[in-house]
Amino acid sequence: NAGVTQTPKFQVLKTGQSMTLQCAQDMNHEYMSWYRQDPGMGLRLIHYSVGAGITDQGEVPNGYNVSRSTTEDFPLRLLSAAPSQTSVYFCASSQGLAGGKVTDTQYFGPGTRLTVL
Amino acid sequence: SQKIEQNSEALNIQEGKTATLTCNYTNYSPAYLQWYRQDPGRGPVFLLLIRENEKEKRKERLKVTFDTTLKQSLFHITASQPADSATYLCALDLSNTGKLIFGQGTTLQVKP
Repeated sequence: NAGVTQTPKFQVLKTGQSMTLQCAQDMNHEYMSWYRQDPGMGLRLIHYSVGAGITDQGEVPNGYNVSRSTTEDFPLRLLSAAPSQTSVYFCASSQGLAGGKVTDTQYFGPGTRLTVL
Repeated sequence: SQKIEQNSEALNIQEGKTATLTCNYTNYSPAYLQWYRQDPGRGPVFLLLIRENEKEKRKERLKVTFDTTLKQSLFHITASQPADSATYLCALDLSNTGKLIFGQGTTLQVKP
């Protein structure tokens, strides 16, 4: 198992550009999520999904879109990048339980370091 | 507002000693609490989970306590080694939804 994979590892964007951060998992996990990590702020939840076709907002969703067309993939889209979106982005997955509730550990990807100029 | 606090100052200890890290929270009634380890340039790695009805959990040299009255969790590493040097994150799940709220992490440095 590759676990949770993220691409790219590094990315530099100019303000206003758009891009998609890719995330995939091969563990057949129902639950997937995106976090950003900033110095002194800890990890903050951006969006999450409890299964294919179902997504919801986390703590800091503005400026980001997600979709979940398959169990394996959960891409994060930046529509118009801003310098405030400079951060390290982590994707995570875990085995969901019935009713969308999760009481299990989360497996994190290696992260994407994004700089917006 | 809801808040999780971990000691932002780095913890420096000597090899062989016990490291104790603290996670305090306010205005939460978490279903469970998790501890993760994060090395520089890498994603967090799960270590331990403790539920609200559990007082203590152990795994090898690791021990976690959970006091819902004090709203505090303590994370202990016994017989610490330089390889234990990393940042340790605590995370709470509100209402069993999987929406984790993370503390900012405490960096542990174990010196030989």
